[in-house]
Amino acid sequence: EVQLVESGGGLVQPGASLKLSCVASGFTFSDYWMSWVRQTPGKTMEWIGDIKYDGSYTNYAPSLKNRFTISRDNAKSTLYLQMSNVRSEDTATYYCTREGSYYWGQGVMVTVSS
Amino acid sequence: DIQMTQSPSSLPASLGDRVTITCRASQDIGNYLRWFQQKPGKSPRLMIYGATNLAAGVPSRFSGSRSGSDYSLTINSLESEDMAIYYCLQHNEYNTFGAGTKLELK
Repeated sequence: EVQLVESGGGLVQPGASLKLSCVASGFTFSDYWMSWVRQTPGKTMEWIGDIKYDGSYTNYAPSLKNRFTISRDNAKSTLYLQMSNVRSEDTATYYCTREGSYYWGQGVMVTVSS
Repeated sequence: DIQMTQSPSSLPASLGDRVTITCRASQDIGNYLRWFQQKPGKSPRLMIYGATNLAAGVPSRFSGSRSGSDYSLTINSLESEDMAIYYCLQHNEYNTFGAGTKLELK
């Protein structure tokens, strides 16, 4: 059974950094592109970016490219999202998804507030 | 950037109705269009991929179609379990979601 489990969310102050993780199981992680998507409290969905199966290439939404970094550790079947200089508008639920969008994690909430 | 204009934002409907949700792409995206269903407290569920293909496990009352730059999701004979928010997503150039359509009982 394919599972994606995000972690690392919580309450963070503006300007801080945060690293989210997504542990994958039930499939060969190193065979698939992976993505991060977020959803604001108002239900707006935003694609953050994705990473090639071997970690050699990443794409980002232009508006987030300078502050967010996606990486992966195939030996640990884990996807990461490094968020820096967070802002209130980064408050959202963050999802990891597998290539093809069929499988999603349960999401992890990030709240940016002082 | 490719924009996806989704309409309507809210769709009141009755059980048994046939409903259609539409997304218009600001540029050519070919058939790189997916539809998702999201229920409260749940992750999005893939319903349609490649604009017209039903994802695994999706009931046959759901269908996707394309007319030029307009992409539609149609639900025939609406059931109570279909009440949810629906999103389109283009993945031809980066990825862009529509704003969502809340389908609710009239």
